[in-house]
Amino acid sequence: DARVTQTPRHKVTEMGQEVTMRCQPILGHNTVFWYRQTMMQGLELLAYFRNRAPLDDSGMPKDRFSAEMPDATLATLKIQPSEPRDSAVYFCASGLEAGAEAFFGQGTRLTVV
Amino acid sequence: QKEVEQNSGPLSVPEGAIASLNCTYSDRGSQSFFWYRQYSGKSPELIMSIYSNGDKEDGRFTAQLNKASQYVSLLIRDSQPSDSATYLCAVLNQAGTALIFGKGTTLSVSS
Repeated sequence: DARVTQTPRHKVTEMGQEVTMRCQPILGHNTVFWYRQTMMQGLELLAYFRNRAPLDDSGMPKDRFSAEMPDATLATLKIQPSEPRDSAVYFCASGLEAGAEAFFGQGTRLTVV
Repeated sequence: QKEVEQNSGPLSVPEGAIASLNCTYSDRGSQSFFWYRQYSGKSPELIMSIYSNGDKEDGRFTAQLNKASQYVSLLIRDSQPSDSATYLCAVLNQAGTALIFGKGTTLSVSS
């Protein structure tokens, strides 16, 4: 079943807590994108990895957000400490190669109270 | 960050009509262009990709690209109520490191 898998699907947490979101890209894909989607801002690119190396994270607030790919089957996005303004849907997408189509996971809906 | 602009809509068309969705982008060096469809509460779903100037047809969908005008469009023929969704235009930057999305156009097809 070739699809991008994200966990958890939903997360409610208190302000100040650490949040970790996980993404399993499609097997064989070597590019991974992290996005945040809100009604006001739409889809905002947070980070881009190719062959596990972070090539662009200019859209990510560096003081509290971090993204890693510990191996080819796992990408993580961490927020520490979380704030109410981080409430959004976070999507991961993977692609076969640079320039090719990107396929989205089902997203993690994060609510910070 | 480079920009991708779309009319937010809503664009309302009757069933069976042609829906025309438009997108402009600012990075002149961009080479890869995509259209995604997103139903409410769901994730974006890829429907078309286009890399060269001209038209590309896939079933009821036709993507059009004009790099000189920095313009991408999507035509949906014989629109169906099930086509009602938000359509997102995405552009890959010249370096291939950022897939930038427009804010989307909401399409409503009435039966």
